[in-house]
Amino acid sequence: QVHLVQSGAEVKKPGASVTLSCKASGYSFTDYAIHWVRQAPGQRLEWVGWINAANGNAKYSQKFQGRLTITRDTSATTAYMVLGSLRPEDTAVYYCARVPLFGVALGAFDFWAQGTMITVSS
Amino acid sequence: EIVLTQSPDSLSLSPGERATLSCRASQSINSNYLAWYQQKPGQAPRLLIYEASGRAAGVPDRVSGSGSGTDFVLTISGLEPEDSAVYFCQQYGNSPRTFGQGTRIEIK
Repeated sequence: QVHLVQSGAEVKKPGASVTLSCKASGYSFTDYAIHWVRQAPGQRLEWVGWINAANGNAKYSQKFQGRLTITRDTSATTAYMVLGSLRPEDTAVYYCARVPLFGVALGAFDFWAQGTMITVSS
Repeated sequence: EIVLTQSPDSLSLSPGERATLSCRASQSINSNYLAWYQQKPGQAPRLLIYEASGRAAGVPDRVSGSGSGTDFVLTISGLEPEDSAVYFCQQYGNSPRTFGQGTRIEIK
């Protein structure tokens, strides 16, 4: 049974950094990518970035370039997202989602984690 | 980036009726890489449709997707109380991946 479990909610001050984790189980970790998506209050979902779990290559939305890092640990079957220089407008629910690297539903977000609320406030 | 506009914003329908949801893209989506998701309150989104018309595992056949280019439709026939949720579309054929604003379905 597939599981993606994210770390818990956090409250951060402006200018700080936050690290989110996404622990995968129940499938072959390196057959998939992990994408990160966020949803600010009252806003539509916004793609943040992704990592190929097989080779570790990461790509980020231009909006977050320079303050976002996505990594993975294959032995721990976990992906991580570090977002720095936090601003109040980064307040959102952050989701990780699994994306097949080949085969059926290639490219689609075929399984999502429950989400993590990140609040940025002074 | 591609902007996805969904219509209507909300629907209120009775059990057994059919829901037709639209997703229009600001430009053509490569390879019809358009997905539909369902999200219920407090839950993670769930993939329903990929590549415009491919049904994800475990999705009932009363849920179907169609369309190509810039115009896509999600149809849910024989609505059931459990279909009450927000449905949103997503394109993943062009970078950056983008999402529609969502359509809320209420079952009367």
